[in-house]
Amino acid sequence: KAGVTQTPRYLIKTRGQQVTLSCSPISGHRSVSWYQQTPGQGLQFLFEYFSETQRNKGNFPGRFSGRQFSNSRSEMNVSTLELGDSALYLCASSSERVVYGTQYFGPGTRLLVL
Amino acid sequence: AQSVAQPEDQVNVAEGNPLTVKCTYSVSGNPYLFWYVQYPNRGLQFLLKYITGDNLVKGSYGFEAEFNKSQTSFHLKKPSALVSDSALYFCAVRDKAAGNKLTFGGGTRVLVKP
Repeated sequence: KAGVTQTPRYLIKTRGQQVTLSCSPISGHRSVSWYQQTPGQGLQFLFEYFSETQRNKGNFPGRFSGRQFSNSRSEMNVSTLELGDSALYLCASSSERVVYGTQYFGPGTRLLVL
Repeated sequence: AQSVAQPEDQVNVAEGNPLTVKCTYSVSGNPYLFWYVQYPNRGLQFLLKYITGDNLVKGSYGFEAEFNKSQTSFHLKKPSALVSDSALYFCAVRDKAAGNKLTFGGGTRVLVKP
């Protein structure tokens, strides 16, 4: 089975712009979660989608949003980019929405905001 | 609120020696514990998880972890480290109250010297 794929892998934007990141989960997986990784804050949970519905949300401003499509692919959007949004954005998928389920991560999208 | 602590920022070990990466956790209910490894410019790779049952969990690449409820710890171990084990290791916890959200420790960088 193919793993989790994320596009693009690298992205450079300037402050004030908006960006959309894409994630394709492992085939058959219905749960997609997004995480932000920075040197200062570490790995932080952004949100989780299951069957096209947001099920859980982390402590991020409303500039961060996401959605999930009927084929389980997910996108996250960041509007009005700030320098502090520079990070590695990781997507993870799991087959079920159970607390003991394993999340499998993609390679990430590295976003640089100038 | 759930939390994870990895008390060591870096662990240095000689190739062939035992490797231990420490992790302690705090959750309100039953803990579901995970270890992931991250290589440079890559996403997180799943190593192993503890759900219930045997306190010694065996995972990928010869890694194992010991769950200790009284000490709220879940230390990762490998009997004989390889240079290729040099990477960033993350411990994560999830409990029912937090849904599918993973809370990560700050990470421990492992350097295995030949």
